[in-house]
Amino acid sequence: GQQLNQSPQSMFIQEGEDVSMNCTSSSIFNTWLWYKQDPGEGPVLLIALYKAGELTSNGRLTAQFGITRKDSFLNISASIPSDVGIYFCAGAGKSTFGDGTTLTVKP
Amino acid sequence: DGGITQSPKYLFRKEGQNVTLSCEQNLNHDAMYWYRQDPGQGLRLIYYSQIVNDFQKGDIAEGYSVSREKKESFPLTVTSAQKNPTAFYLCASSPAAYNEQFFGPGTRLTVL
Repeated sequence: GQQLNQSPQSMFIQEGEDVSMNCTSSSIFNTWLWYKQDPGEGPVLLIALYKAGELTSNGRLTAQFGITRKDSFLNISASIPSDVGIYFCAGAGKSTFGDGTTLTVKP
Repeated sequence: DGGITQSPKYLFRKEGQNVTLSCEQNLNHDAMYWYRQDPGQGLRLIYYSQIVNDFQKGDIAEGYSVSREKKESFPLTVTSAQKNPTAFYLCASSPAAYNEQFFGPGTRLTVL
């Protein structure tokens, strides 16, 4: 199946720092999705992007749909301890998920 | 309260036994999906169904079976043919095939 390359694999940051992660694909997607998974729970949809170049915010989260339609970026500003979890990107059109970025926030 | 429910949260079975995981949604979604997640890894698609009475294999369907007799329900059976069944299983649904998916809370299956 199609592969999504998500990086970095893990991040260890201090509370208050900003975070950036990205997702790339060899295929074009018409929709990019970003999810967060808390330990032992199902992923929760954070942001959906529908248009190349689109920049969308949800509170402290900002995501962008790459202009080539082959990548997407997620930024978290002023991180807090509850941001801890695994962040997944997904390309709609096929059930393709990245392997996730595990975020650890030190108080 | 609309959403997706999976039961039970934790399930233990002996090796060689078939086990069925439940997934129910009241979101009126047409499409439903089953994923497997192993520690430190992403989501791998087992089966999906775009409409009632129809389903397709995903990337890792061997050793699993599903049915979709009702729009609300998409149970997954982990058969004894699945070589390494211990994992976290996630069910999801979407309004139509490959739209934004909404996930249930997951079932952690341990085969002893």
